[in-house]
Amino acid sequence: QQPVQSPQAVILREGEDAVINCSSSKALYSVHWYRQKHGEAPVFLMILLKGGEQKGHEKISASFNEKKQQSSLYLTASQLSYSGTYFCGTEASLSAGGTSYGKLTFGQGTILTVHP
Amino acid sequence: DAGITQSPRHKVTETGTPVTLRCHQTENHRYMYWYRQDPGHGLRLIHYSYGVKDTDKGEVSDGYSVSRSKTEDFLLTLESATSSQTSVYFCAISRLAGIGELFFGEGSRLTVL
Repeated sequence: QQPVQSPQAVILREGEDAVINCSSSKALYSVHWYRQKHGEAPVFLMILLKGGEQKGHEKISASFNEKKQQSSLYLTASQLSYSGTYFCGTEASLSAGGTSYGKLTFGQGTILTVHP
Repeated sequence: DAGITQSPRHKVTETGTPVTLRCHQTENHRYMYWYRQDPGHGLRLIHYSYGVKDTDKGEVSDGYSVSRSKTEDFLLTLESATSSQTSVYFCAISRLAGIGELFFGEGSRLTVL
C-alpha cells in the first residue's frame, strides 16, 4: 500500500519554508526521500532508518517517527532550485511483511514550486 | 554520476507486440529494480533483482517478466504490450538494499498504440 504524502502541491516564494509529510499504514524500516525535476530521473536526497533520527544537509532535513510511521521533509529558506516533485519511498519492516531487498513503495508525490 | 543506462530511451509500438527494455550498469551493484511512473501514481515497482538470476515480483508485475543473466544487465520484457503499459519506465540500482540510495536511470518512455 502506497504511503500518503501531503500536501499534494505547495507554492512558495524564494526564502520561504515548507514541510512535506509522508505517512504509512505499515511499520517501517526505512524512509527515503527523492526529488524529481520535470523530464528527469528522481534524485536521492536522504534516507532515514527507524530510530527517529533527524538527518539533513544544508537547508533540507527530515525526521522519522517510527511509532507513527510518519516522516517529514523540511525545506528551509527555499531556493528556485528546490522546485520539483518530491517523493517519499518506504520500506516495510520485516514484521510488517517487508523484505531485506530494498523494495521501496513510493508515495504519489508532492509538487513544489518556488517563485522568485 | 552512477553508471546506469537504459535503452531504448523512447519507443512507440503497437498493441500485441513484444517489447524489451534494457538496463545496464557499470557500478557492480547487486540490487536492480524496474519501476513505472504514471501521473498520479508516483513510482510503482514492477520487478526487482537481488543477484544474478535472482528476481522477484513487485506490486505491478502482471504482464511483465524480467531476466538478469549478468550483474550489469537487467532486462524488462512486455510479452504482448497493451495500451495500459504506456508509461515511463525507470531502472534503479542500489549497493545496499534498503539502507542504500537508489540511483535511477534516465528513463524509457514507452507508448503502446
